[in-house]
Amino acid sequence: EDQVTQSPEALRLQEGESSSLNCSYTVSGLRGLFWYRQDPGKGPEFLFTLYSAGEEKEKERLKATLTKKESFLHITAPKPEDSATYLCAVHDGTSYGKLTFGQGTILTVHP
Amino acid sequence: DADVTQTPRNRITKTGKRIMLECSQTKGHDRMYWYRQDPGLGLRLIYYSFDVKDINKGEISDGYSVSRQAQAKFSLSLESAIPNQTALYFCATSDGGSTDTQYFGPGTRLTVL
Repeated sequence: EDQVTQSPEALRLQEGESSSLNCSYTVSGLRGLFWYRQDPGKGPEFLFTLYSAGEEKEKERLKATLTKKESFLHITAPKPEDSATYLCAVHDGTSYGKLTFGQGTILTVHP
Repeated sequence: DADVTQTPRNRITKTGKRIMLECSQTKGHDRMYWYRQDPGLGLRLIYYSFDVKDINKGEISDGYSVSRQAQAKFSLSLESAIPNQTALYFCATSDGGSTDTQYFGPGTRLTVL
């Protein structure tokens, strides 16, 4: 069974204090690893898809990396508007596109 | 305008009532999904559909039914709502291509009293 574990559950940072979120996964055949951002009361917003170990993608202050067992979401010099829950999910390559989600990391950035 | 819309955004109902949640999309995707989100349990798949004639159960389909009225419309029904169906419900779409990225709607907050 596919599993996704995110850590930490919650992270509090000061504005400008860089850090990383972790997503560890086990999947029978990885088709893709997805990162989403979710604001309170809203739907998950797509950020990145990573397909193979060694791949990296960047968007503004966010950078996602992938190894065979985990993914990191690096946040450089965060701002208060980066506060949100960050979700990681894996696509196991089945024909119906099943996504297994982690519990998420709640990020709070204080000014 | 949003690519994936859900109605209603909030709903409070009583135990035993029939409820329908609706999802519409303008992304032109064939695949549509219904998820529920509960604190501590993450997002779980209820039903998914590849096209109008192809509907399948997800991991937690008991107590739910769906209807795919058109490529762009996918509805979720609770035939007889119960309190443990109180949750956030999300619709998602994907194109089934090489990325098969799922895009989510804004959600419906359902409370069953």
